[in-house]
Amino acid sequence: DVKVTQSSRYLVKRTGEKVFLECVQDMDHENMFWYRQDPGLGLRLIYFSYDVKMKEKGDIPEGYSVSREKKERFSLILESASTNQTSMYLCASAEPGGRTDTQYFGPGTRLTVL
Amino acid sequence: QKEVEQNSGPLSVPEGAIASLNCTYSDRGSQSFFWYRQYSGKSPELIMSIYSNGDKEDGRFTAQLNKASQYVSLLIRDSQPSDSATYLCAVEGGSNYKLTFGKGTLLTVNP
Repeated sequence: DVKVTQSSRYLVKRTGEKVFLECVQDMDHENMFWYRQDPGLGLRLIYFSYDVKMKEKGDIPEGYSVSREKKERFSLILESASTNQTSMYLCASAEPGGRTDTQYFGPGTRLTVL
Repeated sequence: QKEVEQNSGPLSVPEGAIASLNCTYSDRGSQSFFWYRQYSGKSPELIMSIYSNGDKEDGRFTAQLNKASQYVSLLIRDSQPSDSATYLCAVEGGSNYKLTFGKGTLLTVNP
């Protein structure tokens, strides 16, 4: 079974803090994704990575950055957390190519910024 | 901007009935289509994928795809209370492996 883990289930931070969210997958997948999910807005893609050290902006990258130094690990960084970044953050991984692009999600991190 | 629209719901059906969930998408070049189920407080899990026009059945679930109409649906037969969840339609197009998700439809199956 594919396993995607995220470093924290719940996180509370203060405005202006630098926040790191970590995601690890154990299936040697090339593609990894960070989403946020908000009521009424659905799942929105923040960033994705298709290889080590490679990244592309998603639909809402402002205020976020990412790091992928190893294939299995994809980190989301909030450089200076703001209250409008309070959300559920979901990481996913997928093996690209043909019909095997199913994305598998981690359990999510509920981040509250005070 | 690629768009994926789902019937807004919430949808309520009695146990044993057929639940029908619908999704339309804007990008005519989309190739892969997915239905995810998300229980409250949990992350999405894949239940069906479909790539060709027509029907695809898996147990009580049937996905239907009509690329000409840019329409994909999910039918759940013999609905059970355990099917109560939010169902997310996701569409992938092009070669960048990105998924665009609909906002989801909340399904409640009443015993």
